[in-house]
Amino acid sequence: SAVISQKPSRDICQRGTSLTIQCQVDSQVTMMFWYRQQPGQSLTLIATANQGSEATYESGFVIDKFPISRPNLTFSTLTVSNMSPEDSSIYLCSAQENTEAFFGQGTRLTVV
Amino acid sequence: LAKTTQPISMDSYEGQEVNITCSHNNIATNDYITWYQQFPSQGPRFIIQGYKTKVTNEVASLFIPADRKSSTLSLPRVSLSDTAVYYCLVGDRASGTYKYIFGTGTRLKVLA
Repeated sequence: SAVISQKPSRDICQRGTSLTIQCQVDSQVTMMFWYRQQPGQSLTLIATANQGSEATYESGFVIDKFPISRPNLTFSTLTVSNMSPEDSSIYLCSAQENTEAFFGQGTRLTVV
Repeated sequence: LAKTTQPISMDSYEGQEVNITCSHNNIATNDYITWYQQFPSQGPRFIIQGYKTKVTNEVASLFIPADRKSSTLSLPRVSLSDTAVYYCLVGDRASGTYKYIFGTGTRLKVLA
């Protein structure tokens, strides 16, 4: 199984600023995804992080707000741009091989 | 939209067997059924995966009828530490990428 490390684990940010979350996988994986989980809610898929090309975003999420990079098969970043209190949430990275997905511990973001 | 439907919550007592049923009426021929467990402040953790009939591992069993339109996760003799949210997932291939769209999950509470 893949082990996923996310940094930072938590952060408190001022509105209007941006935060970049890093996701490192201990092995090469084909697919990486980013999810958001608001308090008490289920996970919502933000985008598929494509290696070497632009991410594929789900409905309701746009690149200007959530730019994603995936420079290689073990690493991805998600930036939450121009933050507002509504962006306060847990952001989770997922690595997937075929039909089995592994998740990081998440980044707990609070925007004040 | 999530492709699965499951009860929002369930209560059980320690030592009992818990069965959580999930509906996935539109499951595709080559989709697997996967269950994840999530504790507060942690990412989802893989429990079990199956395609048809019955699958058993050290923590759970998964029962899948012949039509594969539903599945049941069975947790034998639950303990307080099994209190968590359980997600039933089938893959979404509409975009050409096999990805997981989370439903509401079932919040299981194990009582002493």
